[in-house]
Amino acid sequence: QQQVKQSPQSLIVQKGGISIINCAYENTAFDYFPWYQQFPGKGPALLIAIRPDVSEKKEGRFTISFNKSAKQFSLHIMDSQPGDSATYFCAASTNTGNQFYFGTGTSLTVIP
Amino acid sequence: DGGITQSPKYLFRKEGQNVTLSCEQNLNHDAMYWYRQDPGQGLRLIYYSQIVNDFQKGDIAEGYSVSREKKESFPLTVTSAQKNPTAFYLCASRDRGGPNYGYTFGSGTRLTVV
Repeated sequence: QQQVKQSPQSLIVQKGGISIINCAYENTAFDYFPWYQQFPGKGPALLIAIRPDVSEKKEGRFTISFNKSAKQFSLHIMDSQPGDSATYFCAASTNTGNQFYFGTGTSLTVIP
Repeated sequence: DGGITQSPKYLFRKEGQNVTLSCEQNLNHDAMYWYRQDPGQGLRLIYYSQIVNDFQKGDIAEGYSVSREKKESFPLTVTSAQKNPTAFYLCASRDRGGPNYGYTFGSGTRLTVV
């Protein structure tokens, strides 16, 4: 059973546009929600993360929006650039948990 | 520089052969993990270890084995019992006690059966 559901599977955005990737979860014990960015042939790298005590976190062009009641969180990439073209994974973990649970990934292509 | 080193980057395995993937970290992290990545399936957990000389099965442990004799090292053996081993393998570590709560990943090993 997929603990974290991610959509869409793929996304094509024009340069300068906004990319939005959504994730949903069921386990209310999750308390840490990171996003990872992965380029082809490389390992994922932590992009940005949020805890459920805040509804939004922004770092440069990347923003996480968190809706605790809906058990959903999303990644917004403002002013998308071709260099943002990568696969993005959302994940979730509990404070006492031994592992992260990952979404299935979103392949983002930003067209010049 | 601190980080995770996976080797080799590419590995070819013949049918019926065991192969071992190396993972070394100098981050002083206690926890280490092995994930398998297949197109469209995200990252699936194979094994993880919270401390030296202890490890736990993940969601897809069948056909794999690990050891954790040193804090820095967590090698993964893909045995001949793993019927479909062709995939991208990722090693990660985690500092649960530090301010950076997330994983640090290595750059991966691509295993191909020939």
